[in-house]
Amino acid sequence: KAGVTQTPRYLIKTRGQQVTLSCSPISGHRSVSWYQQTPGQGLQFLFEYFSETQRNKGNFPGRFSGRQFSNSRSEMNVSTLELGDSALYLCASSSLKDRGNGYTFGSGTRLTVV
Amino acid sequence: AQSVSQHNHHVILSEAASLELGCNYSYGGTVNLFWYVQYPGQHLQLLLKYFSGDPLVKGIKGFEAEFIKSKFSFNLRKPSVQWSDTAEYFCAVNARTGGFKTIFGAGTRLFVKA
Repeated sequence: KAGVTQTPRYLIKTRGQQVTLSCSPISGHRSVSWYQQTPGQGLQFLFEYFSETQRNKGNFPGRFSGRQFSNSRSEMNVSTLELGDSALYLCASSSLKDRGNGYTFGSGTRLTVV
Repeated sequence: AQSVSQHNHHVILSEAASLELGCNYSYGGTVNLFWYVQYPGQHLQLLLKYFSGDPLVKGIKGFEAEFIKSKFSFNLRKPSVQWSDTAEYFCAVNARTGGFKTIFGAGTRLFVKA
């Protein structure tokens, strides 16, 4: 089965702009989580969506938002970009049935803010 | 709140050496525990998991981990590393009652010298 698909793979944005990242989970997975990965910080949890509802949120400012659609695809948005937002943004999907098997991750979107 | 601590940020070993990567977590309830691996240029993938039962779990590529509940630890081990084990390793914790939200440690970069 197809894996987790994230688009775009790379983005370069200017400070102050906004960006939208997309994630298509594995077919049948209704849970999508987003993480920010930076060197030395590991993966920082952004938010988790399940059946179009945000179930958990990490400690990120309100500039970071997300949503999930009825087909389980998810988007995250970052407004008023700052240099510190440069990172690899990872999407991970899972299902209730496979909960004990952890996440399946996408390849990520590498965002560079200049 | 959950947190995960990985003891070593960088580890350098020669081939055939034994490996042990430390991981401690803080959370008072029941948890699922994971180790993920990220090989250079590849996406994160699940190495092994503990859900319940035997606290010594075996994963792919000869890795194993032991869950010690009294110490809140889930250390990763491999008796003899190979050059191909060069990667970054992440310990992660998911609280059973907290949705799919999974907290990751900062990661340990392992470099194996041929």
